[in-house]
Amino acid sequence: DAKTTQPPSMDCAEGRAANLPCNHSTISGNEYVYWYRQIHSQGPQYIIHGLKNNETNEMASLIITEDRKSSTLILPHATLRDTAVYYCIVSPTDSSYKLIFGSGTRLLVRP
Amino acid sequence: DAGVIQSPRHEVTEMGQEVTLRCKPISGHNSLFWYRQTMMRGLELLIYFNNNVPIDDSGMPEDRFSAKMPNASFSTLKIQPSEPRDSAVYFCASSFPGRGYTFGSGTRLTVV
Repeated sequence: DAKTTQPPSMDCAEGRAANLPCNHSTISGNEYVYWYRQIHSQGPQYIIHGLKNNETNEMASLIITEDRKSSTLILPHATLRDTAVYYCIVSPTDSSYKLIFGSGTRLLVRP
Repeated sequence: DAGVIQSPRHEVTEMGQEVTLRCKPISGHNSLFWYRQTMMRGLELLIYFNNNVPIDDSGMPEDRFSAKMPNASFSTLKIQPSEPRDSAVYFCASSFPGRGYTFGSGTRLTVV
């Protein structure tokens, strides 16, 4: 399975954009980039995923570099409720894929 | 949609006792996953099923752990006998191909 590298912690001010980086230099051509987050004591929550194009949904935007070796999750207007651990994972999306979680980035949104 | 439902939410048991954790996946999802989370080891994948068939159980720590999925709407994770080092939060998740996982709220297991 491809590995990912994320900073252990980050912080940002409430209302500002939070940009969370992820390196996945060994990603294969058929592997997608997934982002999940885990708010304290809850189960992880799916945020977004993509293959090569940038993606946006109601929660966040995902920017994937052209060589696909890194990506950035953007929370455009962070709120205190976005304080969580954010996980970047690469995995093929087929009927038998499995997600292996690393240690993630602990994001603290400051008032 | 009630999401992935796990029971019980909390379980406290004595060492040596049998523990059974239960999971009801989202209707229509054909993959089901069991994870364990501890402070030391983070989120670990224990086993996953596809169309009720176990595909990969390489994460199951020992023979004391077993998992079943008798039908598309129910799965169990059993620990027999339980040990204090099994104390953790156990999550169940389900998914459909091409979609993200949906996790349950977890079962917090304490073995004393």
